[in-house]
Amino acid sequence: DIQMTQSPSSLSASVGDRVTITCRASQGISNYLAWFQQKPGKAPKSLIYAASSLQSGVPSKFSGSGSGTDFILTISSLQPEDFATYYCQQYQSYPVTFGQGTRLEIK
Amino acid sequence: EVQLVESGGGLVQPGGSLRLSCAASGFTFSSYWMSWVRQAPGKGLEWVANIKQDGSEKYYVDSVKGRFTISRDNAKNSLYLQMNSLRAEDSAVYYCARGETDYSSRWAYWGQGTLVTVSS
Repeated sequence: DIQMTQSPSSLSASVGDRVTITCRASQGISNYLAWFQQKPGKAPKSLIYAASSLQSGVPSKFSGSGSGTDFILTISSLQPEDFATYYCQQYQSYPVTFGQGTRLEIK
Repeated sequence: EVQLVESGGGLVQPGGSLRLSCAASGFTFSSYWMSWVRQAPGKGLEWVANIKQDGSEKYYVDSVKGRFTISRDNAKNSLYLQMNSLRAEDSAVYYCARGETDYSSRWAYWGQGTLVTVSS
């Protein structure tokens, strides 16, 4: 199975900050990598697919990069609605696996 | 507008069974892979199962193989998850998610989830 490891597990930031979340795969997954945002009690929301492609309707403040084993999600100019938990997910092979999540909190 | 609405969750005793449903609308259901993803209380996301457009291919996470069965009825635009021999560790919110035509696990659309609690 491909293990997905996110760092950090939690992150405190202020409104207006730019933050990065990293995701590392235990083996190469090319660009078969997605990012999701989840707020308490809500379903995950797709942000990025194919490592760097923005999902329709998602603001350009979200961006993704990387290929192979190392990936980054960048969120610029944080707003109150961006404070949530973020997950990476590989869909290169079965079983599909997620990172453990990164909780982004207001400082 | 794409909509996915899950139902069928509830409280069930260990060893019991439950059938989840997901009603799809707003897209051509028979053209897309469909999936179930779950989230235990306070935990992360876990993929459960995928089914191909015509039902000819099905994939499961190891922990549910032999106990859960994913199926679909394209005439009714519905996805199902039959869950047997339920365990406490199966307690979770179960989401259905729509894949793509050619990427089984690239999920742009999710339902709101249905809660399954396995407890005596």
